[in-house]
Amino acid sequence: SQQGEEDPQALSIQEGENATMNCSYKTSINNLQWYRQNSGRGLVHLILIRSNEREKHSGRLRVTLDTSKKSSSLLITASRAADTASYFCATRKTDSWGKLQFGAGTQVVVTP
Amino acid sequence: ETGVTQTPRHLVMGMTNKKSLKCEQHLGHNAMYWYKQSAKKPLELMFVYSLEERVENNSVPSRFSPECPNSSHLFLHLHTLQPEDSALYLCASSQRGGSEKLFFGSGTQLSVL
Repeated sequence: SQQGEEDPQALSIQEGENATMNCSYKTSINNLQWYRQNSGRGLVHLILIRSNEREKHSGRLRVTLDTSKKSSSLLITASRAADTASYFCATRKTDSWGKLQFGAGTQVVVTP
Repeated sequence: ETGVTQTPRHLVMGMTNKKSLKCEQHLGHNAMYWYKQSAKKPLELMFVYSLEERVENNSVPSRFSPECPNSSHLFLHLHTLQPEDSALYLCASSQRGGSEKLFFGSGTQLSVL
């Protein structure tokens, strides 16, 4: 079974609104990462949060991690049409270098 | 530009063909990866190379054969593929011992007829 699962599968919002997506995982992790993918392109790294961190910010992005619930959330504030993309969480298990496991992603559509 | 270049961008091949996908990274990284992305499925890790040695082979069928001649180049040799192998194949690189984030190429969209 997959390590990371994103929720919701799809999200449609208007420009200026906030977008929140969640990721749940099953085993202990070393770190959790969020990536973005525009249609038909490669993934772009957004942010990494380590297991001993609870919250990180990067520009309009805010990531939280709750290791007791094995879950993370990604918040995009004041969304723009250019934020339209698929967003993936990826986890690296403890003592498992190189095996970054991805979820199926959340497809976000931001309409002007 | 992410510093990871994949060629070709699109490939159509018959089940009896032999082709190769190429990946080149210009980031000075020491680890490279092949991932497979099928519609509505999570990315599947296929192979990992660290310092040109294969450290992960994720139960991938033998019709996929990776090659890493040096730390900047990675190939995926394809032969006698099946239609279900049609997918986006993504190459990535990272620095083992450094930041753990992956840098991805734009992928090769493969169609097997």
